[in-house]
Amino acid sequence: DAGVIQSPRHEVTEMGQEVTLRCKPISGHDYLFWYRQTMMRGLELLIYFNNNVPIDDSGMPEDRFSAKMPNASFSTLKIQPSEPRDSAVYFCASSKGQIAQQFFGPGTRLTVL
Amino acid sequence: GDSVTQMEGPVTLSEEAFLTINCTYTATGYPSLFWYVQYPGEGLQLLLKATKADDKGSNKGFEATYRKETTSFHLEKGSVQVSDSAVYFCALKSSAGNTPLVFGKGTRLSVIA
Repeated sequence: DAGVIQSPRHEVTEMGQEVTLRCKPISGHDYLFWYRQTMMRGLELLIYFNNNVPIDDSGMPEDRFSAKMPNASFSTLKIQPSEPRDSAVYFCASSKGQIAQQFFGPGTRLTVL
Repeated sequence: GDSVTQMEGPVTLSEEAFLTINCTYTATGYPSLFWYVQYPGEGLQLLLKATKADDKGSNKGFEATYRKETTSFHLEKGSVQVSDSAVYFCALKSSAGNTPLVFGKGTRLSVIA
């Protein structure tokens, strides 16, 4: 079975550009999580969805960040405009039920120049 | 709010040494406790878990016991291998309602031959 799929795996962009990260959760999972990981701040929960509905976006750093989940098999995290301090590894994770084990994707390494 | 504190790394050990990574938590009620592991270039994956006091989670030679009296969930392994080099995250899931996992900052382990 395929795990959580993220694309692209690496993204290099220039400051001010729009960046879109994509995630396909494991089929049948009803929770989807977006995390950001940096050396300085560690692993941060940005937002999570339940049955495609955003439940808590309090971790989204600012209005430049937005996330959508148009259906059960796809989610995007968008940064517009991007800034160098957004450089990080972004992980998507999914679970079946919130208490259940979270399955993480391989991450997208974003570099904003 | 709920929180997890784990020992800061990096931790460097020789092969076959004994490993302990300390983790303590603050939470109301009876949370579930987890250890996740992140190998280089990968997403996090569940290593072991415990859902009630005195439970012992174990996997791949790693163990952790849920100690409510000391609010701890220390990770141990009797003999580490080079392949255990990774970042280890302690996490908790509150028993109170619709809340996501709370992760510690992670502890980097390097095992040298």
